[in-house]
Amino acid sequence: QSALTQPPSVSGSPGQSVTISCTGTSSDVGSYNRVSWYQQPPGTAPKLMIYEVSYRPSGVPDRFSGSKSGNTASLTISGLQAEDEAEYYCSSYTSRSTLVFGGGTKLTVL
Amino acid sequence: EVQLVQSGAEVKKPGESLKISCKGSGYSFTTYWLGWVRQMPGKGLEWMGIIYPGDSDTRYSPSFQGQVTISADKSISTAYLQWSSLKASDTAMYYCATRTSSDWWTFDYWGQGTLVAVSS
Repeated sequence: QSALTQPPSVSGSPGQSVTISCTGTSSDVGSYNRVSWYQQPPGTAPKLMIYEVSYRPSGVPDRFSGSKSGNTASLTISGLQAEDEAEYYCSSYTSRSTLVFGGGTKLTVL
Repeated sequence: EVQLVQSGAEVKKPGESLKISCKGSGYSFTTYWLGWVRQMPGKGLEWMGIIYPGDSDTRYSPSFQGQVTISADKSISTAYLQWSSLKASDTAMYYCATRTSSDWWTFDYWGQGTLVAVSS
């Protein structure tokens, strides 16, 4: 099972919006609304930010939103803040009843 | 409060065996799937597999099948990740994680991680 494809890095200035893509196949992202997004600041455990493509867990700011089109899911962070700087990972359920993560995207807030 | 507390860091030699643990509290440990995730130094997250502590039903990633063993002791709300013969390439941070609902493909609670270093 190959990892989902994410851009290695994205950046934006405070207040701006950034979007991180997560491309899979028809065997994972394209067939199931079981895509999650995690935020991982350096030296910490991952934190769930989005589940089932677009749902936010309690406590996650509404600046974070998720969507999906075809085999590509996206995480959009609006109104960027310095505290958003972290590594972001997507994951998806697969047709083999396994889970696959993306390679990760480093978000830099300029 | 849901908590997953993992065992401490380990330094081992190639060929040695190892079993690390993850103790759950604050929720019904036997009712929800618990997974293990590997993060090699400077690398991304990799899903290793999951276990349903209620009946020890276990599923593995094809990449980790046969390389590790996932188990659980529901009497003490603890899950385990085990190696019979470590390799240098097993050096990584290992996280346990769970989701307190039926959708095991999402993790909303994570342990603090266990660092495993394998070197001769």
